[in-house]
Amino acid sequence: DTAVSQTPKYLVTQMGNDKSIKCEQNLGHDTMYWYKQDSKKFLKIMFSYNNKELIINETVPNRFSPKSPDKAHLNLHINSLELGDSAVYFCASSQGWGGGEKLFFGSGTQLSVL
Amino acid sequence: AQTVTQSQPEMSVQEAETVTLSCTYDTSESDYYLFWYKQPPSRQMILVIRQEAYKQQNATENRFSVNFQKAAKSFSLKISDSQLGDAAMYFCAYRSAQGSQGNLIFGKGTKLSVKP
Repeated sequence: DTAVSQTPKYLVTQMGNDKSIKCEQNLGHDTMYWYKQDSKKFLKIMFSYNNKELIINETVPNRFSPKSPDKAHLNLHINSLELGDSAVYFCASSQGWGGGEKLFFGSGTQLSVL
Repeated sequence: AQTVTQSQPEMSVQEAETVTLSCTYDTSESDYYLFWYKQPPSRQMILVIRQEAYKQQNATENRFSVNFQKAAKSFSLKISDSQLGDAAMYFCAYRSAQGSQGNLIFGKGTKLSVKP
């Protein structure tokens, strides 16, 4: 069983489109995250949810909207896609919110905007 | 703001040899955690090792160990008896002990190649 699963693994779309990436974790964790990895492999936090409540919202365009219907799911919706949105997006989860928590990552969604 | 620096974009090691990956960080906090994550070509991010800043003893996980120098703000990863499966990107990461103060801050990574 995959602990943190993301769909789709690959997403190719045109500029201006709206797309969603889904994430589910079956670990019973309370906290979920979205990270973005750019073309130079740099990873940066985008959002973090704890018990379905938004905890961290980094400087991300408001075209990006996370939604957490329950503790096991954190989806990412992106409106009006731009070329610069091309990246790999990782979902992750952890048991709690503490600084030492181990994060479990999904395998990533590679988004290509043409 | 905290920063994490990995000064070696690429490293190479012979199979069965030992290699050390460097990481330095900048913070004004006294309580925090440091991590090394591995990202193989499969893209999956895998936790390799974790160090609590309040612990003087260096963390070890089988062939992986760290050299944590708190005063120098240095956190290097040593891989012993390197194996072909160790080839990957390695990311050093920092997180405040107060989780609500922020999230994992990653370095830019070191690409490790293992030669047979």
